[in-house]
Amino acid sequence: AAGVIQSPRHLIKEKRETATLKCYPIPRHDTVYWYQQGPGQDPQFLISFYEKMQSDKGSIPDRFSAQQFSDYHSELNMSSLELGDSALYFCASSSTDRGWRNTEAFFGQGTRLTVV
Amino acid sequence: DAKTTQPPSMDCAEGRAANLPCNHSTISGNEYVYWYRQIHSQGPQYIIHGLKNNETNEMASLIITEDRKSSTLILPHATLRDTAVYYCIVRGSGGSNYKLTFGKGTLLTVNP
Repeated sequence: AAGVIQSPRHLIKEKRETATLKCYPIPRHDTVYWYQQGPGQDPQFLISFYEKMQSDKGSIPDRFSAQQFSDYHSELNMSSLELGDSALYFCASSSTDRGWRNTEAFFGQGTRLTVV
Repeated sequence: DAKTTQPPSMDCAEGRAANLPCNHSTISGNEYVYWYRQIHSQGPQYIIHGLKNNETNEMASLIITEDRKSSTLILPHATLRDTAVYYCIVRGSGGSNYKLTFGKGTLLTVNP
């Protein structure tokens, strides 16, 4: 079965550079979620999209932005990178066909961002 | 979303059942209980979810108490590959599309 695809899997950037992370949801999934997981931390919700519109926002820095495109893939754009942005970034997707509460979300394998 | 409480760590012998508890005493009537696990640095993996009835799939069983204030995830025959952090998540409110909020999960270590 198709899974959530994230690219790149690894990314090394210098401070103050920009980075773009991509997420390709499972086909026919209409919702995408982004999470950040720092070293030794639990995944923290950043932002989500439903049908290409932002639907929820968590603790996402103003330096970060994201969008969902017409083909439902999503991109997380990160500017003015800081050392503290080094983390795993996960994308998840779900379908709302059984309602919001009763639908599992599936996660990709993540992008490991290292800021040096 | 309702807060959940899980033990920080548990051990289990390979081949035995692993029973992971979760308390969610403030759960609302329309909130679901979800279980995910994360094997070191991999993406969280969906295991199972339920509302009030017990659920079973090919990975695990979910037992929810009648008052819905707690639940137990059961891995019937744990293997070494089940060593992971297990997250119990209550989902159903707090936002427009019910994001999954990860708390402090349980590190399950399966021993040979």
